[in-house]
Amino acid sequence: DAKTTQPPSMDCAEGRAANLPCNHSTISGNEYVYWYRQIHSQGPQYIIHGLKNNETNEMASLIITEDRKSSTLILPHATLRDTAVYYCIVTSSGGSYIPTFGRGTSLIVHP
Amino acid sequence: EAQVTQNPRYLITVTGKKLTVTCSQNMNHEYMSWYRQDPGLGLRQIYYSMNVEVTDKGDVPEGYKVSRKEKRNFPLILESPSPNQTSLYFCASRRDVGRVPSPLHFGNGTRLTVT
Repeated sequence: DAKTTQPPSMDCAEGRAANLPCNHSTISGNEYVYWYRQIHSQGPQYIIHGLKNNETNEMASLIITEDRKSSTLILPHATLRDTAVYYCIVTSSGGSYIPTFGRGTSLIVHP
Repeated sequence: EAQVTQNPRYLITVTGKKLTVTCSQNMNHEYMSWYRQDPGLGLRQIYYSMNVEVTDKGDVPEGYKVSRKEKRNFPLILESPSPNQTSLYFCASRRDVGRVPSPLHFGNGTRLTVT
């Protein structure tokens, strides 16, 4: 699986959009971009995933660049409860499937 | 409710005393795995299983054993725990069908302390 690079920390004001970047320059054609978040020491929670098109669900939007070498997770109206560590993962289906979580981005949403 | 259940949530034990952390999922998922999380090191995979009776090593398997006798259960066994296995452990599962890798579902974690 391709490795990812994320900033170690970010902060955002409550009610504003939080834009979390992720670089995955070695991504291959059959690999998907997944985002998870971990609130405090709870189990990571799935947020969204995509291959090459932008995606949106009730939690967030995922913007993938045309060359697929980077992506951005957007939380449109961040709340205090969005304070968490966000992990960007690139992975394919089948095989050994050992997703590498790395250290993620610690997002702090402040009042 | 679809979930991954780990037990116990907290466990304090002594060096060398065998222990088992249980993991059960009610979603009929084929794939299950165990992770450990340590400060500054992120989540590292210990073992995974693609289906019943099929298990394989992850990145940090030393000192651990697993078994997959039933689809829903994937226990993590520490035959002789040592203090360096003090960590936060997570079990996860996912479906394993189709070309699109399905999302992982995680349990709430087991905080293990080995003295």
